[in-house]
Order: sequence, then structure tokens, then C-alpha cells
Amino acid sequence: DIVMTQSPDSLAVSLGERATINCKSSQSVLSSSNNKNYLTWYQHKPGQPPKLLIYWASTRESGVPDRFSGSGSGTDFTLTINSLQAEDVAVYYCQQYYSTPYTFGQGTKLEIK
Amino acid sequence: EVQLVESGGGLVQPGGSLRLSCAASGFTFTNYWMHWVRQAPGKGLMWVSHINTDGSNTNYADSVRGRFTISRDNTRNTLYLQMNSLRAEDTAVYYCSRSGGWVDFWGQGTLVTVSS
Repeated sequence: DIVMTQSPDSLAVSLGERATINCKSSQSVLSSSNNKNYLTWYQHKPGQPPKLLIYWASTRESGVPDRFSGSGSGTDFTLTINSLQAEDVAVYYCQQYYSTPYTFGQGTKLEIK
Repeated sequence: EVQLVESGGGLVQPGGSLRLSCAASGFTFTNYWMHWVRQAPGKGLMWVSHINTDGSNTNYADSVRGRFTISRDNTRNTLYLQMNSLRAEDTAVYYCSRSGGWVDFWGQGTLVTVSS
């Protein structure tokens, strides 16, 4: 199984500042056949279902604000939230869909400082 | 509007069974693989199972393989999860989700509590 490890476990950032969440996979999720990274990022707020933010590691889902961006390749990935807003408070998860089981990171709790 | 509506959750004793359903609407159900993902209280997300578009290919997390069975009825646009031999550690909110490669939409979830 591919193990996904996020860092940090929790993060407190001031409004308007940048938040950076890291995700590391135990093996590469980059496909040699299409040169795409099989990695997504989700935002999860209490009482709501998770919401897709990023797929293919760096492609923003339609309707997601452009302050959210994803980067990285192979085994190391980053979710960056620029100009943090109050509504961004949530738990963020990375997930690989390269091979089953489609494992998630343990989650990063983002709060306002 | 895309909708996934789960039902069938509830309280069940250890060793018991439960069948979850997920009614899909607002999209072409047969174009999408479907998944179940769960979140235990105070824990993170865990992928449980998926099924391909015609139901011929399924996969399971090791912790549920042999006890849970995923299926779909494409005539009713409905996804199922038959859960047998339930354990306390299966207590969780179970989410139904769709994927056309990656999971892009989730239902609101249904709570399963395994307790005596």
C-alpha cells in the first residue's frame, strides 16, 4: 500500500497570510504512461462532505478560488493557500489514486491565528 | 444538479449486518466508478471500496475485505454496500462518492454505529 504522510498535523495562520501543507507518498504516484501525478487535495469542514480542490496534483477544480494551488511531482506535493480567508478553516487531505487502496494522508487541521 | 444521497445507516450490534444505499441523480451514473469512503469519529478519511461502471470490477481495503460487498444497480442509479460481521471499529460516517478518474463529488454521508 502507498502510505501518504502529511505535514504538519495542524497549522495556524493569520488572515491574509499563506498556508502551506505538505504531502509525501511512500512511492511515486507519477505515471510514466501519461506523465501525470495521481494525487488530489480535499477540503473537509465539520458536518459537510469533503470537497475536491485539486486533481492531477496541480489542476484546480472548477469553482475553486485561485488562492488554492497544488504543486509537486513523484512523491512530494504541496497545497498552498494564499491570502487565507476565514472560510478556509477546515481539515485538508491529500489522496493518491495511483493504486488501490486509494490512501489518504492523515489530514492537516488549518486554523486562524 | 449532481446528488448522492446515502441511506441505511444506524445502530447495529457487533457481528450484525447492515446494507447501505446511495441514490445518484443529476449525472450519467453508468459513466462513473463509485466509491465508499468512511470517517471514524475523530479520525481521518479512509477509502473502503470501489466498483467500476458495469459492476464487474471491485476492490476493497484490507480491513473490510471478506466482510463488505460493494455492488450497483445501474437500472436504479443506486450504489450499495453490504456490511457483514460488523465490528466496533467499523463505526463511522460512510460517504458515497463518484469518480471519473479521481473522486470529484461526495454525498452527505450516513452514520453507522456498531455497539452493544
